[in-house]
Amino acid sequence: KAGVTQTPRYLIKTRGQQVTLSCSPISGHRSVSWYQQTPGQGLQFLFEYFSETQRNKGNFPGRFSGRQFSNSRSEMNVSTLELGDSALYLCASSVGQGGTEAFFGQGTRLTVV
Amino acid sequence: AQKITQTQPGMFVQEKEAVTLDCTYDTSDPSYGLFWYKQPSSGEMIFLIYQGSYDQQNATEGRYSLNFQKARKSANLVISASQLGDSAMYFCAMREAHMGGSQGNLIFGKGTKLSVKP
Repeated sequence: KAGVTQTPRYLIKTRGQQVTLSCSPISGHRSVSWYQQTPGQGLQFLFEYFSETQRNKGNFPGRFSGRQFSNSRSEMNVSTLELGDSALYLCASSVGQGGTEAFFGQGTRLTVV
Repeated sequence: AQKITQTQPGMFVQEKEAVTLDCTYDTSDPSYGLFWYKQPSSGEMIFLIYQGSYDQQNATEGRYSLNFQKARKSANLVISASQLGDSAMYFCAMREAHMGGSQGNLIFGKGTKLSVKP
C-alpha cells in the first residue's frame, strides 16, 4: 500500500513568485491536512481538506491557499513568496472524520531566495 | 498557552537501553487523541503510536509504548532497547475533538532530539 506522496521534494523559488505543492494521500484516505515546519515556529497547521471542502484553517495569511480534488489529492499554493516562507511543508493523510492515525509524507522543502 | 510541552530539547541514551521522552498536554476537551512521531534528518514524519483519551490501556507498538497518565495530563513515550536508527527528533502531538466537519488539526510540541550512543 503506497504511502503519502508529496511532490516536489525540493524547490527553490524567488521572492514574489508563487508555488504549488502537491500531496497524494494514502488510497482510501479522504482527509488531507497541511503543516509548515520552520526552526523558529516549529510545526504549524495550515489547513485541512475533507471531501473537497476546506474544514479547518490555521492562522496564516491569505497568500496561502489550497484545494482538494475528487480523488482526494490536494494542492497548496503560496503566492507572492516571502523569504519567511522558506520551510518544510508536510502533508498528512487520514481516513477522515472519526479516524485516528495521521500519516505524513516526506515533505516538500521550499527555499525562497 | 502552550498545549503540548516537551521539556527535553535533547537526550542521549546508550544503545540497547530504554529511554523515556516526556510530554505533557493541556486541554479542557474530554475527547482527544495523542500522537508520537519520529522525524529523522530526511524530514519525513513517521507515525509511531496513538492513544485516545478514552482508551483504558496504554498503547503499545513494538518497541514503543505510551505511558498515559490522564490525571497528570502526561503522555510519555517509552522506547525499549534503543537502536542507533532511533536517533531522530521526536514530536508529541494532540488532536482535540473535531467540530464543524473538521477532524481537528494536530498541535505539536517543540520536539526532543534523541541521540543513541553505540
